[in-house]
Amino acid sequence: DQQVKQNSPSLSVQEGRISILNCDYTNSMFDYFLWYKKYPAEGPTFLISISSIKDKNEDGRFTVFLNKSAKHLSLHIVPSQPGDSAVYFCAASEMTGGGNKLTFGTGTQLKVEL
Amino acid sequence: DSGVTQTPKHLITATGQRVTLRCSPRSGDLSVYWYQQSLDQGLQFLIQYYNGEERAKGNILERFSAQQFPDLHSELNLSSLELGDSALYFCASSAASGSLTQYFGPGTRLTVL
Repeated sequence: DQQVKQNSPSLSVQEGRISILNCDYTNSMFDYFLWYKKYPAEGPTFLISISSIKDKNEDGRFTVFLNKSAKHLSLHIVPSQPGDSAVYFCAASEMTGGGNKLTFGTGTQLKVEL
Repeated sequence: DSGVTQTPKHLITATGQRVTLRCSPRSGDLSVYWYQQSLDQGLQFLIQYYNGEERAKGNILERFSAQQFPDLHSELNLSSLELGDSALYFCASSAASGSLTQYFGPGTRLTVL
């Protein structure tokens, strides 16, 4: 049972345009949502997060939107740059027994073309 | 460079064998997490340790075990290996047990033949 889903395995966007990556979740107990970026042969790198009580968080070119009623979040990258080409993972956090558990989606491969 | 180190980078072994993966967290981080990424899968949370104690557990098989030592490095032990255990194993660390931001190492690629 996949609690965090990224239904688009890949996305191709032109440089300078907007990239929109989507993520759906099923567990209402998640309290934070995060986006990680991963380059080949490296571990994931934290990008941006949003609390479940907010609907938007912005950090430079990156904005995450949360629609709690639809259990949907999206990452917007504006403008997209070739260096943004990577795999993007959506993750959801829940506190459990004093620890913190992250549940990841399967990732979306973003390719930003010149 | 996240500051989290994992050894070895690659490991090739046979079914039925046992291996140990090692992780050193970022300087000052007390919490260590282990994840498994199989082909075309997202990262699956295995287990979390905080200052030597187990704090959270995910879908970790009974054949797998982990520990965190007094110097805060952690080891993930995988035994009675099966072909399906072939995956990338990531370690991550954070300052506190409930920290949102986890810093990931480069991973260990395990191949079971």
